[in-house]
Amino acid sequence: DIQMTQSPSTLSASVGDRVTITCRASQSISAWVAWYQQKPGTAPKLLVYKASVVERGVPSRFSGSGFGTEFTLTISSLQPDDFATYYCQQYSNLYTFGQGTKLEIK
Amino acid sequence: QVTLKESGPVLVKPTETLTLTCAVSGFPLSDAKMAVGWIRQPPGKALEWLAHILSNDEKAYNRSLRSRLTVSEDTSKSQVVLTLTNMDPADTATYYCARTRGSGWFDYWGQGILVTVSS
Repeated sequence: DIQMTQSPSTLSASVGDRVTITCRASQSISAWVAWYQQKPGTAPKLLVYKASVVERGVPSRFSGSGFGTEFTLTISSLQPDDFATYYCQQYSNLYTFGQGTKLEIK
Repeated sequence: QVTLKESGPVLVKPTETLTLTCAVSGFPLSDAKMAVGWIRQPPGKALEWLAHILSNDEKAYNRSLRSRLTVSEDTSKSQVVLTLTNMDPADTATYYCARTRGSGWFDYWGQGILVTVSS
């Protein structure tokens, strides 16, 4: 099975900061990665798919990149609404989610 | 408007079988480009994919839970059903159904249903 390892598990940042979350796959998965945002008590929300395609309606401060085994989600300028938990997901071979990155207010 | 909604028991006893239904609207289950998957999340933990079903009735299961899982669909009712046998307290989680486009990313999710396993 393909494993997805996210880092960091917790990230403290301030409004206006640029933040990057990394996801590493245990084997090459081309660009078959998606990113989600989840707030407490709600379902995950799709942000990015195919590693770098931003879902319609998602603010332009969110971007994704990567290919092969290393992928990143970047938020260019943190807004108060962005403090949440973020997950990566591979869909190269079935599906696997990362363990999550909790983005906290510093 | 695409919607998915999970229903089923919120409390089950150990060793019982869990049956959850996902009612979908806004897209046909017969659409070859779409599939419906099930994902769960234990309290305070990460997401775990369980199973999915494609329009051609092709199914896939999480390898570690395969022996306990069954997924099926009723296209006439626009429903997808998940069963998980031999429930254990470790199966306590919020269970989500979600639409996936082309066996890829999950673009629409249900609200989730919290299932507690306890005697």
